[in-house]
Amino acid sequence: QKEVEQNSGPLSVPEGAIASLNCTYSDRGSQSFFWYRQYSGKSPELIMSIYSNGDKEDGRFTAQLNKASQYVSLLIRDSQPSDSATYLCAVKQGGSYIPTFGRGTSLIVHP
Amino acid sequence: DAGVIQSPRHEVTEMGQEVTLRCKPISGHDYLFWYRQTMMRGLELLIYFNNNVPIDDSGMPEDRFSAKMPNASFSTLKIQPSEPRDSAVYFCASTPWGRTTNTEAFFGQGTRLTVV
Repeated sequence: QKEVEQNSGPLSVPEGAIASLNCTYSDRGSQSFFWYRQYSGKSPELIMSIYSNGDKEDGRFTAQLNKASQYVSLLIRDSQPSDSATYLCAVKQGGSYIPTFGRGTSLIVHP
Repeated sequence: DAGVIQSPRHEVTEMGQEVTLRCKPISGHDYLFWYRQTMMRGLELLIYFNNNVPIDDSGMPEDRFSAKMPNASFSTLKIQPSEPRDSAVYFCASTPWGRTTNTEAFFGQGTRLTVV
């Protein structure tokens, strides 16, 4: 059974700090990795995707992938209160269009 | 494109009643997914379609749940009879076929179902 694990949190960080969100997955055949942000009462929206080992940066967001250790992380630099949301990790097996989601980590950025 | 459109946004119904949730995927997307989200279990895949054909419904919790996709622009998820434990947010999502599977899933706004 494919599993995607995330710490449910909440993770509380002060404004301006770096927030670090982690995700582990069980299926070694996983090839595509996604981070979605979900505000309360809203639908998930994609913020980052990563497919190769290493780091991928997009503005204040950096996704990190380590396939050998089967984890993917998301760093949010200069955290803002507007970043307060639940962050969902999603993983796709190679050749599959079906994302499997973790339960999400709640992030709270306090002023 | 307006994105994935779901209706209704909210549904309150009495136990035992039939509930029908509707979804219009993004035009041109080949895959359609129905997810259910609860605090306890997170986002669970119920069923997905490829080119209007149901491929995997192993996530459908019981025979009370059924889904159809009569054409490329419309899908329904039906619960009959509904029970209080079906209360959740139901999301429809779609994604296009691509040369790789590195495609993003686009979500509708969800239907918040409350069964009393």
